[in-house]
Amino acid sequence: DGGITQSPKYLFRKEGQNVTLSCEQNLNHDAMYWYRQDPGQGLRLIYYSQIVNDFQKGDIAEGYSVSREKKESFPLTVTSAQKNPTAFYLCASSSSTGGVYGYTFGSGTRLTVV
Amino acid sequence: GQQVMQIPQYQHVQEGEDFTTYCNSSTTLSNIQWYKQRPGGHPVFLIQLVKSGEVKKQKRLTFQFGEAKKNSSLHITATQTTDVGTYFCAGRAFGNEKLTFGTGTRLTIIP
Repeated sequence: DGGITQSPKYLFRKEGQNVTLSCEQNLNHDAMYWYRQDPGQGLRLIYYSQIVNDFQKGDIAEGYSVSREKKESFPLTVTSAQKNPTAFYLCASSSSTGGVYGYTFGSGTRLTVV
Repeated sequence: GQQVMQIPQYQHVQEGEDFTTYCNSSTTLSNIQWYKQRPGGHPVFLIQLVKSGEVKKQKRLTFQFGEAKKNSSLHITATQTTDVGTYFCAGRAFGNEKLTFGTGTRLTIIP
């Protein structure tokens, strides 16, 4: 079955450490996105990529980095520069700009700084 | 920048009652999408509206896009326990490839 796989589901990080969240899709979608969700809040865009080897900053890119070396993969690195990284991170993909099918989301990674 | 607000933030209804959430954008939208996120889950795409004044139905769910393409609503008739979750609208402004999500409305059902 086609879909998006995020790993790990839960991640604990010590302060000062960088961590990388994995996102893989087999939907043959061109565009991929990373969102952050805090309790009781909406989704905020961190980074997005519409094509391999190209990506753009979203609304809250500071303290994060991404790469898009393959169409299927869009990993997110949460660096030590991110002041408040504890959150639920969601990866999504879409064909071009979404079309009639919208975004397909992964099941998310819950990151906790300890 | 573009902002998308939703009201109410929370809604508690008795099972069988109707429910409505409203979405308002600070800018005119080219299209608007609706998503549902179950507790502990991830957002799932429900529908996209494109035309001014468009109305679409999915069983007990009715989606509307305003004439000015700056607001939208989702109405659920005769809620069921399976409707529990947070409903998000997400709008795309003209000439902007980014989708901006609303703040969401969390629906809880009292059996």
